[in-house]
Amino acid sequence: DVKVTQSSRYLVKRTGEKVFLECVQDMDHENMFWYRQDPGLGLRLIYFSYDVKMKEKGDIPEGYSVSREKKERFSLILESASTNQTSMYLCASSSFSPGQGRKTQYFGPGTRLLVL
Amino acid sequence: GDSVTQMEGPVTLSEEAFLTINCTYTATGYPSLFWYVQYPGEGLQLLLKATKADDKGSNKGFEATYRKETTSFHLEKGSVQVSDSAVYFCALSVSSNDYKLSFGAGTTVTVRA
Repeated sequence: DVKVTQSSRYLVKRTGEKVFLECVQDMDHENMFWYRQDPGLGLRLIYFSYDVKMKEKGDIPEGYSVSREKKERFSLILESASTNQTSMYLCASSSFSPGQGRKTQYFGPGTRLLVL
Repeated sequence: GDSVTQMEGPVTLSEEAFLTINCTYTATGYPSLFWYVQYPGEGLQLLLKATKADDKGSNKGFEATYRKETTSFHLEKGSVQVSDSAVYFCALSVSSNDYKLSFGAGTTVTVRA
């Protein structure tokens, strides 16, 4: 089974702090994604990465950056946390292999971040 | 752009009732369609998927049929259980980028004993 793990289930940070959210997958997937989930808005893509050191902006990248130094690990960074970044953050991964299976994304349990 | 619209919740049902969650989509080309489920306190899990028109995805008693003519992918279950209480998300693969997904807003379903 694919396993995607996230470093924390819950985090409480202060406004202005630098925040690191870590995600690790164990299926050798090329693609990794960071989403935020807010009530009534569904999942919105922040950033994704299709290879080591490669990244692309999603729909809402402002205020975030990412790092992918190793294939299995994808980090989301909040350079200076703000209260409007209080949310549930979900990491996902998928395979780049040809065929329909590559579109299926596998999710971690989520990190609920509260910025005070 | 490619997008998904799903029925608003919350939906509250009694055990053994019939569940339908409507999902319609707008897309260029031929997207793959997905239903994901999120149980309380957990991340999303793939529930079922369909990759071409008239395909039926099924899992855990849930079914959804890819209807190209109505651009729909409605989720159904004939007899729900308390354990089906969750948030359900419809999603499609974005045609401009094959491995990106576009998600609906989610529908919260509560099943009462």
